[in-house]
Amino acid sequence: TQLLEQSPQFLSIQEGENLTVYCNSSSVFSSLQWYRQEPGEGPVLLVTVVTGGEVKKLKRLTFQFGDARKDSSLHITAAQPGDTGLYLCAGVRLDNFNKFYFGSGTKLNVKP
Amino acid sequence: EPEVTQTPSHQVTQMGQEVILRCVPISNHLYFYWYRQILGQKVEFLVSFYNNEISEKSEIFDDQFSVERPDGSNFTLKIRSTKLEDSAMYFCARGALGADTQYFGPGTRLTVL
Repeated sequence: TQLLEQSPQFLSIQEGENLTVYCNSSSVFSSLQWYRQEPGEGPVLLVTVVTGGEVKKLKRLTFQFGDARKDSSLHITAAQPGDTGLYLCAGVRLDNFNKFYFGSGTKLNVKP
Repeated sequence: EPEVTQTPSHQVTQMGQEVILRCVPISNHLYFYWYRQILGQKVEFLVSFYNNEISEKSEIFDDQFSVERPDGSNFTLKIRSTKLEDSAMYFCARGALGADTQYFGPGTRLTVL
């Protein structure tokens, strides 16, 4: 059983469209992180959210942490081909700061 | 500039051989992690290392695996007797103060033949 469920698993959209990726859990997290990974490379940190209800913006990317700290979302506005990649959420649980749990990822393809 | 570097970038080995994967932090940090990612699959936690001791390990991290910080800077992951299913990307990550964020290295691709 996955502790962090990401949806959708795959997303193929046209350039200019908006999209949202979800990361859900039944557990409470101290913080959640979003990463982007290119094939053959390590995950690159995009953002960390630590406060319930927190919203962070990174250019066209908006990240939200749920009020109950069990879920998070990533919204991309006006997607571009350069946004193509694997998006991963990861989290640290309140009861164990020594372990990061990863979601299975959302593979995004933005077509020109 | 990468937070950590990893060597080698690619390691090919025969089944049953020992491999040592290395992680070199750019600056001095206390929190380190090793992960693996089998091709096309999710990132899996292996072990966390804090202040030169293992703080957490997963069920994957069995007796075949060990971690060390032999010289106070390099951080190594040793697989004693590799199996075919150990073929994967292995990532080292260092933790930020407070340990709620990680920065990943570029990874080592391990191929076991």
